[in-house]
Amino acid sequence: GAGVSQSPSNKVTEKGKDVELRCDPISGHTALYWYRQSLGQGLEFLIYFQGNSAPDKSGLPSDRFSAERTGGSVSTLTIQRTQQEDSAVYLCASSFDSSGNTIYFGEGSWLTVV
Amino acid sequence: AQSVTQLDSHVSVSEGTPVLLRCNYSSSYSPSLFWYVQHPNKGLQLLLKYTSAATLVKGINGFEAEFKKSETSFHLTKPSAHMSDAAEYFCVVGAGGTSYGKLTFGQGTILTVHP
Repeated sequence: GAGVSQSPSNKVTEKGKDVELRCDPISGHTALYWYRQSLGQGLEFLIYFQGNSAPDKSGLPSDRFSAERTGGSVSTLTIQRTQQEDSAVYLCASSFDSSGNTIYFGEGSWLTVV
Repeated sequence: AQSVTQLDSHVSVSEGTPVLLRCNYSSSYSPSLFWYVQHPNKGLQLLLKYTSAATLVKGINGFEAEFKKSETSFHLTKPSAHMSDAAEYFCVVGAGGTSYGKLTFGQGTILTVHP
């Protein structure tokens, strides 16, 4: 596609429910990244994929968070048993590879846990 | 380890006057440095990036930044502000090697442009 596409753009969920956030990177981009943007913490790295592998998942805040990528393309970020502190904008980004190319961001998925 | 500090949380300028957004970084290796801009309810857009080539980096919309290793700074400037420049700006440092995309963001500087 023309840019990084994320869905849903907005999601309101009840505390304790599971949510899935989807990212469709730019076609041909092998590297994919998830970030979180929240009022208290700013922008934080969550996880990075090269192809379908995740060499660095050091930013995932707890074991309630997981992500997968299939076919070297679409990625899904899953948050289980959501908590109010999970409320944030979840940003996906992609780049051609991980060796210095421009990183392009999607517009994010705004998650509100009530 | 790497970190980045944006020295001003808010900057206010008049249209047509120069813009200076300050950024200091810390990195244990030769860093990749970026400035991103985020307009309200929009995604992050890359303004410019430094990856160890020329120390003066030119970006989009008339912005440029100078990498000063001795001062560990990467300040963003523009000679003449435009109303459309009003947005939040993020200074970003990238990890090296295969973790290139593991970015560390500054806290952001909100730029306000007055007519």
